[in-house]
Amino acid sequence: DAGVTQSPTHLIKTRGQHVTLRCSPISGHKSVSWYQQVLGQGPQFIFQYYEKEERGRGNFPDRFSARQFPNYSSELNVNALLLGDSALYLCASSLASANSPLHFGNGTRLTVT
Amino acid sequence: QKEVEQDPGPLSVPEGAIVSLNCTYSNSAFQYFMWYRQYSRKGPELLMYTYSSGNKEDGRFTAQVDKSSKYISLFIRDSQPSDSATYLCAPWVEYGNKLVFGAGTILRVKS
Repeated sequence: DAGVTQSPTHLIKTRGQHVTLRCSPISGHKSVSWYQQVLGQGPQFIFQYYEKEERGRGNFPDRFSARQFPNYSSELNVNALLLGDSALYLCASSLASANSPLHFGNGTRLTVT
Repeated sequence: QKEVEQDPGPLSVPEGAIVSLNCTYSNSAFQYFMWYRQYSRKGPELLMYTYSSGNKEDGRFTAQVDKSSKYISLFIRDSQPSDSATYLCAPWVEYGNKLVFGAGTILRVKS
């Protein structure tokens, strides 16, 4: 069975640009979450979506947005990129919106120059 | 104070050793406790999860939760070089919507 897939795997952008990251959950999983992992730290929660509705948002600026599609795939968008946005962006899927283990993809490595 | 604290390591052990990895947390509302293993340039891989206090065993891995002292442990028996990775603990509030990760402990198992 395919796990969580993310694209692209690597991305280099310039300050001020916009980026879109994509995620396909494990088949049958209806919840998708996004996390940011800066080098040397644990992942930090950005968003959770369940059945196309936002169920939670972490402490990130409005430059970060996301959505979930009818097939449960998801996009994370970041506007007006800053150097500090350079990180590994992880997508995780789970069966339910709560109390269900999260399974992560291998992430998108974003470098902002 | 961070919600979840882990010793960053690196923790270096010989092959075959018993490894103890630990986390402390401050939020008494945490009910689910996950352990993830993360290899370099990969996403976190779910190892084990437990609900509330007690022990859970899976092969060479044992997860232990002591809610009274807000202390979480992961034990690895007969450690292998392939266990070399970063280990992340991540509690979860029941009916909450997010994992709260520690910074991770780097483990190195020497052959």
